[in-house]
Amino acid sequence: ILNVEQSPQSLHVQEGDSTNFTCSFPSSNFYALHWYRWETAKSPEALFVMTLNGDEKKKGRISATLNTKEGYSYLYIKGSQPEDSATYLCAFLGDTDKLIFGTGTRLQVFP
Amino acid sequence: NAGVTQTPKFRVLKTGQSMTLLCAQDMNHEYMYWYRQDPGMGLRLIHYSVGEGTTAKGEVPDGYNVSRLKKQNFLLGLESAAPSQTSVYFCATRRNTGELFFGEGSRLTVL
Repeated sequence: ILNVEQSPQSLHVQEGDSTNFTCSFPSSNFYALHWYRWETAKSPEALFVMTLNGDEKKKGRISATLNTKEGYSYLYIKGSQPEDSATYLCAFLGDTDKLIFGTGTRLQVFP
Repeated sequence: NAGVTQTPKFRVLKTGQSMTLLCAQDMNHEYMYWYRQDPGMGLRLIHYSVGEGTTAKGEVPDGYNVSRLKKQNFLLGLESAAPSQTSVYFCATRRNTGELFFGEGSRLTVL
């Protein structure tokens, strides 16, 4: 059974705060690590697909890093805005074509 | 518009009834996935397909069957619905760049 864990489960921050979350995953048979943003009443949307150890990806104020040897990835949001409020999901892709999701970090940004 | 279309969007079933959820895509993607979303559980993989005529089990396959007779369609069947199958079901395709592209979800209630 693949174990993909995310922490914290939820997070409340003030507008302008920077924040980060963690995704831990198996360090063996690694193929890719995905990050998704999921707004309430919508479908998840891809943020990043990361495949190489040491990868860093950035999209606007959101960035992510990857450590495949120790099995973790960090997602950072700089200067959080209310529109960043969403659940952030990571997903692990191993060598079986199964994309296994963590339970997510729910972020709420207060004005 | 290109995308992933799920039908039906909502359905109420009685215990023991059967039904099929249809996922249709017009993006010519090989990989397709069915997930279920339950509170506190994130997205759990039910079944997936790596191409026309292929299917494979995910994390929680029991009680479900799938078929991929045509590349553009991935069907999820419940032969004898149970209250534990009350959930929101998401279909997704996988782009060549790796990330998943999700449908809008199908809310199923089993009484």
